[in-house]
Amino acid sequence: DVKVTQSSRYLVKRTGEKVFLECVQDMDHENMFWYRQDPGLGLRLIYFSYDVKMKEKGDIPEGYSVSREKKERFSLILESASTNQTSMYLCASSFPGGAGSKAFFGQGTRLTVV
Amino acid sequence: AQSVTQPDIHITVSEGASLELRCNYSYGATPYLFWYVQSPGQGLQLLLKYFSGDTLVQGIKGFEAEFKRSQSSFNLRKPSVHWSDAAEYFCAVGATGGATNKLIFGTGTLLAVQP
Repeated sequence: DVKVTQSSRYLVKRTGEKVFLECVQDMDHENMFWYRQDPGLGLRLIYFSYDVKMKEKGDIPEGYSVSREKKERFSLILESASTNQTSMYLCASSFPGGAGSKAFFGQGTRLTVV
Repeated sequence: AQSVTQPDIHITVSEGASLELRCNYSYGATPYLFWYVQSPGQGLQLLLKYFSGDTLVQGIKGFEAEFKRSQSSFNLRKPSVHWSDAAEYFCAVGATGGATNKLIFGTGTLLAVQP
């Protein structure tokens, strides 16, 4: 089975800190995604990557950046964490099979910014 | 622009009762449609997907969904709900964005199951 692993289940950070959320997948998927999940808003796409060192902005990229130096690892970076970035963050990966590719999700990182 | 609407934020059903969760989409071409389930404390798991062909799609855990192009709908159904089905359910449409595909999600429907 595909495994998508997010390094932390829970994180508490202070306002202004630089925060790294790490995601690793073990199925050689080209595509990787970072979503943010908030009650009543569903999942919103922050960034995605379709190859090493390649990235594209999703719907809500402001305040975030990403890094993909190796195919299996996709990092989400909060340059200066703010309280409105308190949320559940979900990583996903998939093969590049067009719009119908099945995405595999990690268990999520619940980030609290105080 | 592509979008997905799940009009029901929260639904409560009795165990053994039937279930229908609504999903409407907006997409210019033939859509790729998905239903995902998120159990408490878990990531998202794919229940079923529709690409083409038979408009009634069978999934895991006894779920099915019907694609109705005329209504732009992809409703999820289950004839008899079990307590373990309590979870949040997300409808999604697969869209081409930039260099690759991406999923656009609805806001989710939280299902509670009464004994």
